Amino acid sequence: AQSVTQLDSQVPVFEEAPVELRCNYSSSVSVYLFWYVQYPNQGLQLLLKYLSGSTLVKGINGFEAEFNKSQTSFHLRKPSVHISDTAEYFCAVSESRDDKIIFGKGTRLHILP
Amino acid sequence: EAQVTQNPRYLITVTGKKLTVTCSQNMNHEYMSWYRQDPGLGLRQIYYSMNVEVTDKGDVPEGYKVSRKEKRNFPLILESPSPNQTSLYFCASSSRGRTDTQYFGPGTRLTVL
Repeated sequence: AQSVTQLDSQVPVFEEAPVELRCNYSSSVSVYLFWYVQYPNQGLQLLLKYLSGSTLVKGINGFEAEFNKSQTSFHLRKPSVHISDTAEYFCAVSESRDDKIIFGKGTRLHILP
Repeated sequence: EAQVTQNPRYLITVTGKKLTVTCSQNMNHEYMSWYRQDPGLGLRQIYYSMNVEVTDKGDVPEGYKVSRKEKRNFPLILESPSPNQTSLYFCASSSRGRTDTQYFGPGTRLTVL
């Protein structure tokens, strides 16, 4: 069965520093991968997704992620974070064989001044 | 304005008293889904629907029912709520399926006493 592991529950980072949020998945079939962001007291919105093709995916707000099939990972990166990036980030996976979506437990990104 | 609406936004109820949380979207989306969000557990999919009269179980369907009689509406029904269903609930919709961008509603905070 598919599963998602977000390795860090919280990540503190200084403003204008780079950040990487880690996501690993488990599945025996091909997958679709997503990163969503949840700003305080709001619903979720899609940052980016990998469906097929290029393994480097660019999203909104300067974020990008790289699909690594051999390491079953889909880490999210941003070269320079801003205070407005303070939020919780969720990685999600969906197997090609059904329509379920499994979310990770989330990573809280804290931006330090 | 394209949106997903949920009602009520906040609800406090007692164990065993049937309740319905409504979800409506105005984007003519085919795919709709319900999630619950709990601290430390991330989002978990309860039910999803690929189209009218087509529903399927997500990861945590026990204790919930759904129906999809019209394309725009996807109500979540708790026939006999219990305290372990106290949670933040999100409805989401996407154009054709889970590979399309999901648009999330504002959330319904449910407390079952």
